Amino acid sequence: RKEVEQDPGPFNVPEGATVAFNCTYSNSASQSFFWYRQDCRKEPKLLMSVYSSGNEDGRFTAQLNRASQYISLLIRDSKLSDSATYLCVVNQGGYSTLTFGKGTMLLVSP
Amino acid sequence: DAGVIQSPRHEVTEMGQEVTLRCKPISGHDYLFWYRQTMMRGLELLIYFNNNVPIDDSGMPEDRFSAKMPNASFSTLKIQPSEPRDSAVYFCASSPGGWDRGFVEETQYFGPGTRLLVL
Repeated sequence: RKEVEQDPGPFNVPEGATVAFNCTYSNSASQSFFWYRQDCRKEPKLLMSVYSSGNEDGRFTAQLNRASQYISLLIRDSKLSDSATYLCVVNQGGYSTLTFGKGTMLLVSP
Repeated sequence: DAGVIQSPRHEVTEMGQEVTLRCKPISGHDYLFWYRQTMMRGLELLIYFNNNVPIDDSGMPEDRFSAKMPNASFSTLKIQPSEPRDSAVYFCASSPGGWDRGFVEETQYFGPGTRLLVL
């Protein structure tokens, strides 16, 4: 089983739609979780950290389910500019154990 | 701040040649990371430094790869000799480390990457 798994997509949605991605991780000792965004041919950038209680940043909501070992990202009212690849990142504690998923591609169309 | 700076942005070389990638981290960041990204394997951590000292190089593929950080503002990743399977995008990232609002400040800031093609 891969350490961090994501559906590669692409997810094709119209503007204004709500879309959700899940990411599963294998190590129950994982301590911190993040979503990064990577535009085509660009570098990854932190989108948001994922806290145990869940957190929201504008149209974006992140949730953590430790019992089932997955994190989720919900995007409401999708914009064209949301088109990108979303990388799930899991840290077991210490930079050596920072593991990136391969990403889920989102395409938002007019 | 200019962000993390990498050079060159693109590199095309022939198998067997030496390749040197360069990185300037964000000033004041204590951690520097080198990653490699391919379609097949995704983003992989190769090595990281804390205060210019290599902490974990277990991700370095083999002896052909080496990395140095002679000072807080400069790091290199060298491949010698290069092989076609080394073709990838190489990212450098830096992080402030330390604690912020009760959480370890783990946010990593990536450079634009170097696209390496080994023929």
